[in-house]
Amino acid sequence: DGGITQSPKYLFRKEGQNVTLSCEQNLNHDAMYWYRQDPGQGLRLIYYSQIVNDFQKGDIAEGYSVSREKKESFPLTVTSAQKNPTAFYLCASSRGEGPLQETQYFGPGTRLLVL
Amino acid sequence: AQSVAQPEDQVNVAEGNPLTVKCTYSVSGNPYLFWYVQYPNRGLQFLLKYITGDNLVKGSYGFEAEFNKSQTSFHLKKPSALVSDSALYFCAVRDMGGGSTLGRLYFGRGTQLTVWP
Repeated sequence: DGGITQSPKYLFRKEGQNVTLSCEQNLNHDAMYWYRQDPGQGLRLIYYSQIVNDFQKGDIAEGYSVSREKKESFPLTVTSAQKNPTAFYLCASSRGEGPLQETQYFGPGTRLLVL
Repeated sequence: AQSVAQPEDQVNVAEGNPLTVKCTYSVSGNPYLFWYVQYPNRGLQFLLKYITGDNLVKGSYGFEAEFNKSQTSFHLKKPSALVSDSALYFCAVRDMGGGSTLGRLYFGRGTQLTVWP
């Protein structure tokens, strides 16, 4: 988990509310990723960014939004359009392209619960 | 399209016995394969990876994995299991295609390993 921080550890969302999950890294990594983890389903990619000011949708982007204004930060907003947001959210980063630079390192996660 | 399968949801083994957690993959091109471990309510920790070279890859905490191209498998192994190895294990394959998908990982569903004393 070293070098990647996620906050808060637990987050409660009321119906109709947007909430933002923070992800910060001090590893000087170019690429950052957001995953959602549900029991028995493994990790599913929400959004990823390979460079500042650019990002791509993953497999389950609906109801989520991101920004990448700084290299160190990749916040994820869970919007009211996401009807089933209860899950464990994991942020990861990697150095980018190249055969020796592709290992993704993960933060400690944020558990989102709906009130 | 890249994909990974972990055929066992759970693996149970006695402490001191060898353990194997299975993974098979499907990729276009040469595979880059990874194993991660997750302890409860924690992020994933990198264990090891196969890029090229020797088919037997050694990683953290005494784990190793054997790459078998003909069987498209990348099974995780440890000669002698510890109770502290009990955790959720994920296999992943990297997308080596071009364009905007380059660099993303595809994960299996995970295998829960339980090592009893």
